[in-house]
Amino acid sequence: ELKVEQNPLFLSMQEGKNYTIYCNYSTTSDRLYWYRQDPGKSLESLFVLLSNGAVKQEGRLMASLDTKARLSTLHITAAVHDLSATYFCAVGGNTGTASKLTFGTGTRLQVTL
Amino acid sequence: GAVVSQHPSWVICKSGTSVKIECRSLDFQATTMFWYRQFPKQSLMLMATSNEGSKATYEQGVEKDKFLINHASLTLSTLTVTSAHPEDSSFYICKTLAFFGQGTRLTVV
Repeated sequence: ELKVEQNPLFLSMQEGKNYTIYCNYSTTSDRLYWYRQDPGKSLESLFVLLSNGAVKQEGRLMASLDTKARLSTLHITAAVHDLSATYFCAVGGNTGTASKLTFGTGTRLQVTL
Repeated sequence: GAVVSQHPSWVICKSGTSVKIECRSLDFQATTMFWYRQFPKQSLMLMATSNEGSKATYEQGVEKDKFLINHASLTLSTLTVTSAHPEDSSFYICKTLAFFGQGTRLTVV
């Protein structure tokens, strides 16, 4: 059974600081996703990582994937209040774009002024 | 705009009644729809997978007679929560391909 764990579960950080969220998964998989969820809302896609060593960046967020270690990271640079949300990683199956996802536990990020 | 339209966005119902949630794919065909449930402050858990024209596949522990899934056309999948109880109160989200619906907040009173 595929298990996906994130840490930390909760992160409170000051604006301007850097931090990393970790996502570990238990079995090999095609692809790794990162999502953002605001309270009461659905999920917003941030990144899709498809291969070992993949790195993607968008604004203050950068995601990377190490398939050998079964580890993905989401790095936050110089956090701003607008980044406050819950972040989920998810691992996809090996059946193409319609594959089901197994989600991590989620990391609730609170950026304080 | 949204490529998967999910309705309603929120619903309150009485215990014992049934509630239907719809997910429509806009401008494309969705042969597979995934239905997830999310309890407050928790992660998303897959409930079932619907496939157009065939029976849905339910995850372990999900009662197929309670959560009825229908995928009768290539643009519409529905989830009906039958005989709802307060413990069914949750956030339900559909997904097809790379697209999530907007989610439905169900409150059973």
